[in-house]
Amino acid sequence: GENVEQHPSTLSVQEGDSAVIKCTYSDSASNYFPWYKQELGKGPQLIIDIRSNVGEKKDQRIAVTLNKTAKHFSLHITETQPEDSAVYFCAASWDSWGKLQFGAGTQVVVTP
Amino acid sequence: GAGVSQSPRYKVAKRGQDVALRCDPISGHVSLFWYQQALGQGPEFLTYFQNEAQLDKSGLPSDRFFAERPEGSVSTLKIQRTQQEDSAVYLCASSLNRFRGGGNTEAFFGQGTRLTVV
Repeated sequence: GENVEQHPSTLSVQEGDSAVIKCTYSDSASNYFPWYKQELGKGPQLIIDIRSNVGEKKDQRIAVTLNKTAKHFSLHITETQPEDSAVYFCAASWDSWGKLQFGAGTQVVVTP
Repeated sequence: GAGVSQSPRYKVAKRGQDVALRCDPISGHVSLFWYQQALGQGPEFLTYFQNEAQLDKSGLPSDRFFAERPEGSVSTLKIQRTQQEDSAVYLCASSLNRFRGGGNTEAFFGQGTRLTVV
């Protein structure tokens, strides 16, 4: 089955700086890569996703890049703000139904 | 409501008790997933429904876990004879997926049910 590894496990950044989270996956059949943000006591919320026919996608301060050859994808958050503090999960789906394999998560702390 | 709703939000069970966790998906969503999230970990897949059909239950950890979605909308995850290792947050997600290989795979998650077995 699919295995997703995520790094780093914790990330502390100054407000205004950029944050980068990296994930690798093992199954070359994976074709859908969402990123979720989870705040304390809440369920994961989709913030951006990318499909395997696209190399990069951007939505305001958030961007995701995908390298299919190397089987890794990254989340970039620019101009970080305190409200960006949360746990971020990457995930991969190789299943047509959309079953997701999640990474272990990155705790992001943005300090003012 | 507009989102996925789960109840109860918190459940404390004595070891050996049976529990039932409820999920109300977004109206019209065909696909429904259950995930288990241990403290400090990412969600782990448990089972998947397309309408009322349970197409994948490969993630259920033991035969004490049972899920159903009899009318293709509300789903219930039941855990029999709860053990301490069952303590986790149980997340439900739904998506619009209408047919294999196509459709919108974006999954929307509920807030989860935190189960504590004492």
